Amino acid sequence: DQQVKQNSPSLSVQEGRISILNCDYTNSMFDYFLWYKKYPAEGPTFLISISSIKDKNEDGRFTVFLNKSAKHLSLHIVPSQPGDSAVYFCAASEGPIQGAQKLVFGQGTRLTINP
Amino acid sequence: DVKVTQSSRYLVKRTGEKVFLECVQDMDHENMFWYRQDPGLGLRLIYFSYDVKMKEKGDIPEGYSVSREKKERFSLILESASTNQTSMYLCASRGFSSYEQYFGPGTRLTVT
Repeated sequence: DQQVKQNSPSLSVQEGRISILNCDYTNSMFDYFLWYKKYPAEGPTFLISISSIKDKNEDGRFTVFLNKSAKHLSLHIVPSQPGDSAVYFCAASEGPIQGAQKLVFGQGTRLTINP
Repeated sequence: DVKVTQSSRYLVKRTGEKVFLECVQDMDHENMFWYRQDPGLGLRLIYFSYDVKMKEKGDIPEGYSVSREKKERFSLILESASTNQTSMYLCASRGFSSYEQYFGPGTRLTVT
């Protein structure tokens, strides 16, 4: 059963516009969320994260929003650039941080930025 | 900079062969993970280890085993490779008090 879902397999956005990637989760015990970016033939790299006690976190062009009541988070990229074309994974943390903690990943969304 | 390295970028094996995938991290991280990535399925956790000689099953451990004899090294073993184990395998590590996992470049394994 998929506890973290990214329902859009792909998204195409014009360069300079806003990209919005969505993620839904079912487990209310998740307490920390992360976004990873993955280029072909490379491992995922960490992008931005948010704790469940916050509803927004910003880092440059990237902002993550968390709506706990809806069990929904989104990643906003403004303005979108061609180098942002990649697969984006959302992940949720399960378990005690100083123990057997693991991440549960969504299926990924392929973002394409068109010039 | 954290560095996670994997022994091979590409590997082709025959059905029934025993396969070893090696992962080494250089940041003295306690926790290490093995995932496989398949189109439409995202990253699925195979096994993880939160200490030397400790291991925990992930979501899809069947057909795999792991070994962690030293803190920096985590090995994934396919006892008898099958075609449905053709996939991208990713290793990751994280520190004791950090949520963030650092990934290696991946090994694309093809089983024929």
